Amino acid sequence: DAGVIQSPRHEVTEMGQEVTLRCKLISGHNSLFWYRQTMMRGLELLIYFNNNVPIDDSGMPEDRFSAKMPNASFSTLKIQPSEPRDSAVYFCASSSRELNSPLHFGNGTRLTVT
Amino acid sequence: AQSVSQHNHHVILSEAASLELGCNYSYGGTVNLFWYVQYPGQHLQLLLKYFSGDPLVKGIKGFEAEFIKSKFSFNLRKPSVQWSDTAEYFCAVNVDNYGQNFVFGPGTRLSVLP
Repeated sequence: DAGVIQSPRHEVTEMGQEVTLRCKLISGHNSLFWYRQTMMRGLELLIYFNNNVPIDDSGMPEDRFSAKMPNASFSTLKIQPSEPRDSAVYFCASSSRELNSPLHFGNGTRLTVT
Repeated sequence: AQSVSQHNHHVILSEAASLELGCNYSYGGTVNLFWYVQYPGQHLQLLLKYFSGDPLVKGIKGFEAEFIKSKFSFNLRKPSVQWSDTAEYFCAVNVDNYGQNFVFGPGTRLSVLP
């Protein structure tokens, strides 16, 4: 099992540019979570999906952020336009249909917006 | 809405000292409880989990946690810490048995001095 795969591992971009973060779920998992981690705010849930449907996006900071699940195994988190305060590590996590399944995290994408 | 609190922001111990990290949650129903560990520069990894049965749960690397329902607590313990245990520790609650709606605590940073 390859685990949750995120790309890119690091992203450096200039303010105003569009940023797309990608996540591939573990095969068979049906829930997908996007988290943001910073020193100031800790680990924040941005959005989660169940069976490709967004269930709770109340953590998405503003309209500049959008997330999609075009299929059952893949998700993107897009920031357009990006701002320096978006700099953080973005984690994707997934869980399975099995009863009481824990979350499995990807290695994260470290985003720096200059 | 359910919430998770962790008593300590930063704990500093010497090697071989005993560890106890506090975790309390607010939810009156059935919960699934987890401890995750994040080593410096890495992603969150599952340390241990509790779903039902014996309230004393043993995890990897000599960690254990005790679920005390009357106190809404799930404290993490280790009898003798090592320098390699230096990391951030997150307590999490899932109140939906089918893998959704995980709520994380703010984390406790553990520094073990050699």
